[in-house]
Amino acid sequence: EIVMTQSPATLSVSPGERATLSCRASQSVSSNLAWYQQKPGQAPRLLIYGASTRATGIPARFSGSGSGTEFTLTISSLQSEDFAVYYCQQYNNWPTTFGGGTKVEIK
Amino acid sequence: QVQLQESGPGLVKPSGTLSLTCAVSGGSISSSNWWSWVRQPPGKGLEWIGEIYHSGSTNYNPSLKSRVTISVDKSKNQFSLKLSSVTAADTAVYYCARGGVKQQTNNWFDPWGQGTLVTVSS
Repeated sequence: EIVMTQSPATLSVSPGERATLSCRASQSVSSNLAWYQQKPGQAPRLLIYGASTRATGIPARFSGSGSGTEFTLTISSLQSEDFAVYYCQQYNNWPTTFGGGTKVEIK
Repeated sequence: QVQLQESGPGLVKPSGTLSLTCAVSGGSISSSNWWSWVRQPPGKGLEWIGEIYHSGSTNYNPSLKSRVTISVDKSKNQFSLKLSSVTAADTAVYYCARGGVKQQTNNWFDPWGQGTLVTVSS
């Protein structure tokens, strides 16, 4: 099973600033990586799939990059509604696995 | 657009069987997607449980395979999860979700149901 490691566990950012979240896979997952946003009491929401393709309705301030074992989710200018927990997921190797999450909090 | 809604008991006794149903609306469960269950223990991360295709084909996470059964009811446009021999470690919010790429297993998920908390306790 592929282990997904996210860093940092918590990221403190001021509104309007840029946030950079990392996700590392224990072995190559090609570009088969997705990112989700989860707010308290809500289900995860798909942001990015294929490492860099934004899902329908996702604002352009969210961007994904990377391939192989190293991936990044960038939020270019944090809005108040972006403070949440973010998870990465690999779906290259079976079974699909998720990272432990990065909490983006208000600085 | 497709919407998913989980339902089932919120409390299950230890050693019992957890049973949940996911109703699909706004689309057909016979579309060429796989349908999954994912769980999240309180304050923790996400774990994929298993998936089903409308034909009845299933795949389960090896860590849970001996205790999991997923089934589909096309007439009701829904699919179900049964998890047997539950312990406190199975306490979690259980989500149902649709695989994003048609006919592909091991997928990203969109959309998700709102989730339902199942507590295992006597």
